[in-house]
Amino acid sequence: EPEVTQTPSHQVTQMGQEVILRCVPISNHLYFYWYRQILGQKVEFLVSFYNNEISEKSEIFDDQFSVERPDGSNFTLKIRSTKLEDSAMYFCASSTRDWESGDTQYFGPGTRLTVL
Amino acid sequence: QQQVKQSPQSLIVQKGGISIINCAYENTAFDYFPWYQQFPGKGPALLIAIRPDVSEKKEGRFTISFNKSAKQFSLHIMDSQPGDSATYFCAAPRGVRETSGSRLTFGEGTQLTVNP
Repeated sequence: EPEVTQTPSHQVTQMGQEVILRCVPISNHLYFYWYRQILGQKVEFLVSFYNNEISEKSEIFDDQFSVERPDGSNFTLKIRSTKLEDSAMYFCASSTRDWESGDTQYFGPGTRLTVL
Repeated sequence: QQQVKQSPQSLIVQKGGISIINCAYENTAFDYFPWYQQFPGKGPALLIAIRPDVSEKKEGRFTISFNKSAKQFSLHIMDSQPGDSATYFCAAPRGVRETSGSRLTFGEGTQLTVNP
């Protein structure tokens, strides 16, 4: 069964460094998302992406964040200058907006980002 | 901002019992309500979802009941098993424009423990 994949599974970085988190969405999906989950908390929306542009972003997604779909398969989240509070699990999701099942979003396994 | 209130925060049931988790949402344009299951260190996995034009959906031991007038939906796990022990999140979509996908707002999560 098709699934969303993410790399790396764990990223450790120093505060102020740039990180890029990578995702390969399900191949026939059109809508892409990034969410994050701070340890022990709920999943929070960061950004949605459709037709090669951001369609919506949350208040968390400030100027330090950016997303890109550099080719037909990858979807990346870049944090330009990491802060301690960016430490979290970052999940990529994708959907196809099948009108039978609604906008069912499928999540990847996540990247654990640790900022020291 | 869309709020989703989930209860209880934690739930302990005996093997073979029924687990019930509730969610309430605010006004929104929506086309489906999903439930996600998350094991420690893993991404949320879609468990079951319901469209608002039906009041109940059943898949195996999992049933969603939907009360549109009360803006509530609940997850019932029949014959609960120790392998069901996980965190369960309800979610509600916001933003159902064709060009934006749906931003999911998650509930706080319910940690379910099924004792053998």
